[in-house]
Amino acid sequence: QSALTQPASVSGSPGQSITISCTGTSSDVGNYNLVSWYQQHPGKAPKLMIYEGSKRPSGVSNRFSGSKSGNTASLTISGLQAEDEADYYCCSYAGRSTVVFGGGTKLTVL
Amino acid sequence: QLQLQESGPGLVKPSETLSLTCTVSGGSISSGSYYWGWIRQPPGKGLEWIGNIHYSGTTYYNPYLQSRPTISVDTSKNQFSLKMSSASAADTAVYYCASGPGGYFFDYWGQGALVTVSS
Repeated sequence: QSALTQPASVSGSPGQSITISCTGTSSDVGNYNLVSWYQQHPGKAPKLMIYEGSKRPSGVSNRFSGSKSGNTASLTISGLQAEDEADYYCCSYAGRSTVVFGGGTKLTVL
Repeated sequence: QLQLQESGPGLVKPSETLSLTCTVSGGSISSGSYYWGWIRQPPGKGLEWIGNIHYSGTTYYNPYLQSRPTISVDTSKNQFSLKMSSASAADTAVYYCASGPGGYFFDYWGQGALVTVSS
């Protein structure tokens, strides 16, 4: 159960769109549509942004969207805003009632 | 609206057992569909799932942690707990309790509790 692979950092300017990838294997991301994404600001607890691949919890902006292709899931943030600057983590069901997180991606809004 | 709050010693000596409790308010821990979990984050590093428990007592653990964690539930107190045996410096982290339906995503989180393992 190795951690999912995410880029260490991504950046974008206000108003632009960015995509964060999350690469796993056929045992986790590729085998289940159960990827979730979390936003974490410094010193704060993670916040659920996307679950079951592409669903948004109530209250989460529709600027956040999730998708998957093969063993790679993606989080897209459109219309980038300064408040989106944070760390983002993906998480996937990995079978046998276990989950695995990605290493995290630091998003910088230029 | 569920609220979760971690509590426990902030300092643990090496080789001793790390213990934390999560108190749930705003709802019942006996909600059938919810799972209750522990996730940790070493300083400056990413999130690591430790394990989940259902109110029935069924537990699921990260296989990489080699049987060190034990998660239990006390429905009478609306609490669940984590014990991690043989603590080492590598266990120094912010420990979060969290919950979610099905146990494969977490929609409620505690604020986190820093536990330092040091003599």
